Amino acid sequence: AQSVTQPDIHITVSEGASLELRCNYSYGATPYLFWYVQSPGQGLQLLLKYFSGDTLVQGIKGFEAEFKRSQSSFNLRKPSVHWSDAAEYFCAVGPTSGTYKYIFGTGTRLKVLA
Amino acid sequence: GAGVSQTPSNKVTEKGKYVELRCDPISGHTALYWYRQSLGQGPEFLIYFQGTGAADDSGLPNDRFFAVRPEGSVSTLKIQRTERGDSAVYLCASSPGTGDGYTFGSGTRLTVV
Repeated sequence: AQSVTQPDIHITVSEGASLELRCNYSYGATPYLFWYVQSPGQGLQLLLKYFSGDTLVQGIKGFEAEFKRSQSSFNLRKPSVHWSDAAEYFCAVGPTSGTYKYIFGTGTRLKVLA
Repeated sequence: GAGVSQTPSNKVTEKGKYVELRCDPISGHTALYWYRQSLGQGPEFLIYFQGTGAADDSGLPNDRFFAVRPEGSVSTLKIQRTERGDSAVYLCASSPGTGDGYTFGSGTRLTVV
């Protein structure tokens, strides 16, 4: 079955510390991969995406993610977290053709300590 | 428009009532999606439109849910005989149709009391 697992429901880091949010997926073939961020009361904003090519993907707001095919993972990283990064982060996968119907993980809520 | 617009932003309705949720996608985006996000969960796919037609409605939970996009732009999600379990945030997204990643609206928070 197709699924996305974000094993960490909550993560707390201090401002300025590094961050890694985990994402593992189960899919029939290599999918398109995405990370979205959702601030309270807001819709989802696309941080970055992986379609093909270089497995290290750069996104907005200083985020990056690395696709590891052997581990079926697409972890999100940021070297130095800012207080404004506090939000919920969703990993998603989707097919490379057809309806582009995405499957989302359950999200990781990030808290940043001043 | 510049972004995906959803109205209303909040809707409170009584159990058994009918509701309509509106989505105005980015101009020129041919693909439009509806997702539902329950508390503490990630968004779940409901329906996908390519142009005016529903290309994939496999996520609609039952026949109380229906969506239309008559002119290939604005879409309306319709829920009949609402139930408390329908309470959620309903998200709309659009894309140019190339699988380039969606742009989401801010959602409609539906509360059924």
